[in-house]
Amino acid sequence: GQNIDQPTEMTATEGAIVQINCTYQTSGFNGLFWYQQHAGEAPTFLSYNVLDGLEEKGRFSSFLSRSKGYSYLLLKELQMKDSASYLCAVRGYQKVTFGTGTKLQVIP
Amino acid sequence: NAGVTQTPKFQVLKTGQSMTLQCAQDMNHEYMSWYRQDPGMGLRLIHYSVGAGITDQGEVPNGYNVSRSTTEDFPLRLLSAAPSQTSVYFCASSSPIGGGYTEAFFGQGTRLTVV
Repeated sequence: GQNIDQPTEMTATEGAIVQINCTYQTSGFNGLFWYQQHAGEAPTFLSYNVLDGLEEKGRFSSFLSRSKGYSYLLLKELQMKDSASYLCAVRGYQKVTFGTGTKLQVIP
Repeated sequence: NAGVTQTPKFQVLKTGQSMTLQCAQDMNHEYMSWYRQDPGMGLRLIHYSVGAGITDQGEVPNGYNVSRSTTEDFPLRLLSAAPSQTSVYFCASSSPIGGGYTEAFFGQGTRLTVV
């Protein structure tokens, strides 16, 4: 089976940097995804890691350590529109399992 | 490019009624899945399919049936609706690429209330 843990809520200030952590235990690993979900909307893709290291995409970066079962999503230069839930998801052999998500509130 | 089309957006059912949530994708994706999302529970996998004619159970399959007769369509059937099935349902699709998979593309969601 798969078990994914993320903090439930986080608060950060506009313009700052925030790191959202995700730890996982999985039988089989074929990649880790991060999604953003605004309230009342569908999740949208942010990043994908299958090898160890950092993937950077604009203001968003994602890091993966397969040996530690650990990933983080780094959001820089926070904007008010970044207030959303951030979902960590792990693909095993076939299934994709999601964490419960981290609700990020960006304050002025 | 429509992506993943999910219908209906909203539905109210009475306990015991049955219904089908429709999901169609036009990206020729092999992998399709259904999730339900409840407060504090995240997205939980109901059923998934790795190709036409192949389906398998996820974490919470009880009370739901699926079929995959074509690559494009993956309907979810509620056999006898119960209040515990009140939730937001998402359909998603993705495709294998290289050694991994593309990201999942989600439908808009169906907000189902069972009274």
